[in-house]
Amino acid sequence: AQTVTQSQPEMSVQEAETVTLSCTYDTSESDYYLFWYKQPPSRQMILVIRQEAYKQQNATENRFSVNFQKAAKSFSLKISDSQLGDAAMYFCAYRSRKGGSEKLVFGKGTKLTVNP
Amino acid sequence: GAVVSQHPSWVICKSGTSVKIECRSLDFQATTMFWYRQFPKQSLMLMATSNEGSKATYEQGVEKDKFLINHASLTLSTLTVTSAHPEDSSFYICSARVKWDRVNTEAFFGQGTRLTVV
Repeated sequence: AQTVTQSQPEMSVQEAETVTLSCTYDTSESDYYLFWYKQPPSRQMILVIRQEAYKQQNATENRFSVNFQKAAKSFSLKISDSQLGDAAMYFCAYRSRKGGSEKLVFGKGTKLTVNP
Repeated sequence: GAVVSQHPSWVICKSGTSVKIECRSLDFQATTMFWYRQFPKQSLMLMATSNEGSKATYEQGVEKDKFLINHASLTLSTLTVTSAHPEDSSFYICSARVKWDRVNTEAFFGQGTRLTVV
């Protein structure tokens, strides 16, 4: 079974600075997706960024980028120019591509605080 | 974008009663929906996968007789917590799958339901 580990329960960053959230995962599969989701105080889960394992290029979405290291099974999220609205819980998630599986396996989350 | 609406946002019920939570895909058809449970300061744990027109697939350890799931149409899945007890108090979140093309799919989440059993 796949597992996702987020080793940082909490992180903080100054507004306009850069922060990196860590995520590692364990799988025996070679083809899969990785995601970062944001859960603000409203509790609505929002997709931040997605990476397909077969793509070597790291995904980027505006101020959000990932460092995907497939061999190390590492998938960190970098938030540049942090804004107050970035404060939230961030969850790393894994999804297999095998057999049309749609199950998302989540890490325990990292609470990000943005200080003004 | 795709919108998933969950209702109610919060509910308080008495111990021993049943409560139904609805999950609707507003602008797309969802053949598959997912129900998660989230304890305070914890991650989301998948409870079951709901497939339109067929029985739900429950994760190990989830009581199917306690958490009844019905996916009667392509836009609605319901989760009924039967004979609720205080330990069932939690945050329940649904998600629905959007199929962009033959290969690419994406999950969109409802806003969640906070259930408190007193």
